[in-house]
Amino acid sequence: DGGITQSPKYLFRKEGQNVTLSCEQNLNHDAMYWYRQDPGQGLRLIYYSQIVNDFQKGDIAEGYSVSREKKESFPLTVTSAQKNPTAFYLCASSIQQAGEAFFGQGTRLTVV
Amino acid sequence: AQSVTQLDSHVSVSEGTPVLLRCNYSSSYSPSLFWYVQHPNKGLQLLLKYTSAATLVKGINGFEAEFKKSETSFHLTKPSAHMSDAAEYFCVVSAQAAGNKLTFGGGTRVLVKP
Repeated sequence: DGGITQSPKYLFRKEGQNVTLSCEQNLNHDAMYWYRQDPGQGLRLIYYSQIVNDFQKGDIAEGYSVSREKKESFPLTVTSAQKNPTAFYLCASSIQQAGEAFFGQGTRLTVV
Repeated sequence: AQSVTQLDSHVSVSEGTPVLLRCNYSSSYSPSLFWYVQHPNKGLQLLLKYTSAATLVKGINGFEAEFKKSETSFHLTKPSAHMSDAAEYFCVVSAQAAGNKLTFGGGTRVLVKP
């Protein structure tokens, strides 16, 4: 089945540790996105990539990093510089021209 | 630039009655508009999309939306609510000229009473 897979579904980390969230898609989409969702705040764009080996900062990129070495993969690293990392993280992909995005099931990160 | 405003953060309806979720957008480009639904702790699922074809768009699960350029609105409706419609709904704007960057509204949480 084609789709987007995020792993793990739940992730717990100690404060000060870096953590990497996985996002893989087999839809052959060029564009991929990372969003952060907090209660009552909707979705905010962290980073997006329109093509392999290229990515741009979104609205809240501070404390996060990404890579896009393969078309299928767009991992997100939450660094120790992110002041409030506990949130629900959603990955998405889209065909460039259509704009419609397909979402993964999300990763809930809790930092203790 | 583009932005989306969902006019109601919460909507409560009785099962079997109509649902109306309001969305206004702003865009410097010719926009594409989408409605997504999210059930608790899940990803987002596309309900319907407008991409400059027919202004009345039909989606899944009986939902439809009408694009009104003069009012810059894209309201979502369903004639008869079902308990399974309880979820959060997001209105989204995108434009090819803006690099297909998706801009989300703040969301509307729908409660369906039996």
